[in-house]
Amino acid sequence: GAVVSQHPSWVICKSGTSVKIECRSLDFQATTMFWYRQFPKQSLMLMATSNEGSKATYEQGVEKDKFLINHASLTLSTLTVTSAHPEDSSFYICSAPGQGIEKLFFGSGTQLSVL
Amino acid sequence: KQEVTQIPAALSVPEGENLVLNCSFTDSAIYNLQWFRQDPGKGLTSLLLIQSSQREQTSGRLNASLDKSSGRSTLYIAASQPGDSATYLCAVEAAGNKLTFGGGTRVLVKP
Repeated sequence: GAVVSQHPSWVICKSGTSVKIECRSLDFQATTMFWYRQFPKQSLMLMATSNEGSKATYEQGVEKDKFLINHASLTLSTLTVTSAHPEDSSFYICSAPGQGIEKLFFGSGTQLSVL
Repeated sequence: KQEVTQIPAALSVPEGENLVLNCSFTDSAIYNLQWFRQDPGKGLTSLLLIQSSQREQTSGRLNASLDKSSGRSTLYIAASQPGDSATYLCAVEAAGNKLTFGGGTRVLVKP
């Protein structure tokens, strides 16, 4: 079946640094990918929709200058958390719709801890 | 704005008991509803997907029902096992493949 690869699985960084998370569709093309965030003991919240070849669409309350999204190819979307702070510590997960079906496939997630 | 609620938030049962997890949503204009399993610190595993025109889906010990008009879905897990311990999330899909998730039900099956 379709596979979405996400890495790194976890990252620890100092406050003020930038962190890049990659999401790849391994055996299918994805013109759209979705980025979600999950704080401890809370549910997943959609952050933004990544669109291949065009600007990402951000949900209300998500800072586009802080969470940079690039969807440079049909198989890769990246999320960069710029100048990360402890409040950005969260579980980030991407998903992509499989072609021809309505099912969404999820990456394995990235646990970000900002010290 | 769509809101998805899951009850109970946590559930602890002895091995062998059946599990009943509830999900409700406020806007019935959905394409489908999915149930996912999430293990701590890990990604999501899709368990069942119910199209808006369907009333239920079954896979092994899992059965999910959907009552779109009343905005409810129920996930049944028969003869629970310790390996079923996880967080179960329901999510409704609207236009554009966007999912709205519920808060999840944390399940613990005790041996």
